[in-house]
Amino acid sequence: TQLLEQSPQFLSIQEGENLTVYCNSSSVFSSLQWYRQEPGEGPVLLVTVVTGGEVKKLKRLTFQFGDARKDSSLHITAAQTGDTGLYLCAGGTTSGTYKYIFGTGTRLKVLA
Amino acid sequence: SQTIHQWPATLVQPVGSPLSLECTVEGTSNPNLYWYRQAAGRGLQLLFYSVGIGQISSEVPQNLSASRPQDRQFILSSKKLLLSDSGFYLCAWSVGGTHYGYTFGSGTRLTVV
Repeated sequence: TQLLEQSPQFLSIQEGENLTVYCNSSSVFSSLQWYRQEPGEGPVLLVTVVTGGEVKKLKRLTFQFGDARKDSSLHITAAQTGDTGLYLCAGGTTSGTYKYIFGTGTRLKVLA
Repeated sequence: SQTIHQWPATLVQPVGSPLSLECTVEGTSNPNLYWYRQAAGRGLQLLFYSVGIGQISSEVPQNLSASRPQDRQFILSSKKLLLSDSGFYLCAWSVGGTHYGYTFGSGTRLTVV
């Protein structure tokens, strides 16, 4: 069974601080995605990384896919209160159907 | 543009009652469709997925079933709800054969009492 473990589980920081969220697995994934979810809403896709070692930037967010495609990280620079939410990573499995296995989630709270 | 509609937003049902949650997608054809359940503030568990009309794959044995009567319609059902069926249910679609990721509906909060 493929599992994705995220760490930390909870994170509370002050506005302006930097943070990194990790997504780890013992399995290889064809792709890795990051989502952010607000309470009572569905997750919203932030980024997809496909190539081992790939780095993508989305404004203050930097996403990296591990060289072996087993892990990923999300780094936020100068966090803002609007970054508050549940961050989920998801690994792509069998090609063709493109099922994604979701991580355990990191709940981020950015304090003003 | 593509949109996904999921309803109802909230639902309170007694134990033993039936369930029907509906999801429809607009603006695309032959999407992959998915039903996920989310425990409070945690990751998502894949329940069912479908790559075409009438084609349903179940990921976990449970009290639920899914159907896809039309290309862009996905229905989650139960004949008799259990307390353990409570949760946040999310429908999602993706473009078949790509890594573009999911677009999720707004979810249904189901409470079984």
